[in-house]
Amino acid sequence: GQQLNQSPQSMFIQEGEDVSMNCTSSSIFNTWLWYKQDPGEGPVLLIALYKAGELTSNGRLTAQFGITRKDSFLNISASIPSDVGIYFCAANSGNTPLVFGKGTRLSVIA
Amino acid sequence: NAGVTQTPKFQVLKTGQSMTLQCAQDMNHEYMSWYRQDPGMGLRLIHYSVGAGITDQGEVPNGYNVSRSTTEDFPLRLLSAAPSQTSVYFCASSRSGPGVVNEQFFGPGTRLTVL
Repeated sequence: GQQLNQSPQSMFIQEGEDVSMNCTSSSIFNTWLWYKQDPGEGPVLLIALYKAGELTSNGRLTAQFGITRKDSFLNISASIPSDVGIYFCAANSGNTPLVFGKGTRLSVIA
Repeated sequence: NAGVTQTPKFQVLKTGQSMTLQCAQDMNHEYMSWYRQDPGMGLRLIHYSVGAGITDQGEVPNGYNVSRSTTEDFPLRLLSAAPSQTSVYFCASSRSGPGVVNEQFFGPGTRLTVL
């Protein structure tokens, strides 16, 4: 089946540092999304990308839809303690079910 | 709007017991789905529904049944619980239809332990 390869699996960073994570696939997708999951909660949508090459920001978060439609990255600038959590990429085409990456666990050291 | 609600929040079962995990949404979303989350495995799709009366299998459907009699509700049934079904279960919903982006809203999860 379709798979999303998300990296890195985990990150430990100092508060104030920038963070970058990415997601790749061997399949082409028409939509890429990034979710964040806080401990004990369900995932929450951060950014949705609809067009190849699109670059979208949401506060300190920036995500891009790769031009080949097979990848996406998420950047977080000037990290703060509340950025801690698991970040998931997800993708689909049309109304097919979302495929999720395995997540990047982010830890921020104050 | 309450969004997506799930009950119970926690559940402990013995092997072989049956139970139903409840999921409801008040956003009039056509698309609903169930995922399980295990450490290091991300979110894996169990079953999904594109509208009332229509359900389909996801990546890991074995041991689970679903039905969709109304737009609002999408219960997940475990017919005979097994320890391998110990997991956190998430229900999600979104709009659906031609040209509509599938942006899913997740419930808070049900943490299930099967002894």
